[in-house]
Amino acid sequence: RKEVEQDPGPFNVPEGATVAFNCTYSNSASQSFFWYRQDCRKEPKLLMSVYSSGNEDGRFTAQLNRASQYISLLIRDSKLSDSATYLCVVTLPSNTGKLIFGQGTTLQVKP
Amino acid sequence: DTEVTQTPKHLVMGMTNKKSLKCEQHMGHRAMYWYKQKAKKPPELMFVYSYEKLSINESVPSRFSPECPNSSLLNLHLHALQPEDSALYLCASSQDLALRGALRGFGQGTRLTVV
Repeated sequence: RKEVEQDPGPFNVPEGATVAFNCTYSNSASQSFFWYRQDCRKEPKLLMSVYSSGNEDGRFTAQLNRASQYISLLIRDSKLSDSATYLCVVTLPSNTGKLIFGQGTTLQVKP
Repeated sequence: DTEVTQTPKHLVMGMTNKKSLKCEQHMGHRAMYWYKQKAKKPPELMFVYSYEKLSINESVPSRFSPECPNSSLLNLHLHALQPEDSALYLCASSQDLALRGALRGFGQGTRLTVV
């Protein structure tokens, strides 16, 4: 079983739609959780950290469910510019600096 | 704009060449990283430096040789690479190894092609 699993998609949605991605992780001791966004042929960029209480940044909402070991990302009112690959990232409590990446979920927002 | 700067942005090299990738950050971060990313795959960790000392080597072949001359610079020396080493090489930095809530910045990457 992979340490971090995501549905690779692609998710094809119309502009204005609400779309949600899930990510599951296998290690219950996982410590920190992030969503990164990566545009084609560009570097990953931190989109948001994910906290147990849930957090929101504009149209983006992230949730963490430790009991079920999954995190989610909700995008409301999708824009064409949201088209990208969204990477779920987890760290372990070993303080090694190692990020564990999921395979990424590709989102294509269409006009 | 990224605060981690990588040079060159593109590199084509032959299998007998020696080249170096460079990474620089001036955020005072004490942890620096090299990742390799193949097309449609997530980044794979290669090396981690903490306070200029090599902390992790993810069983990377010796044809890749990292170097951290000071707290702001990270190099990756390349020698006798294979075509399958062609990939996007990403540098990243963080305040330290703990990463808890720490913002991780990636450089724009060097797109390497080995011919």
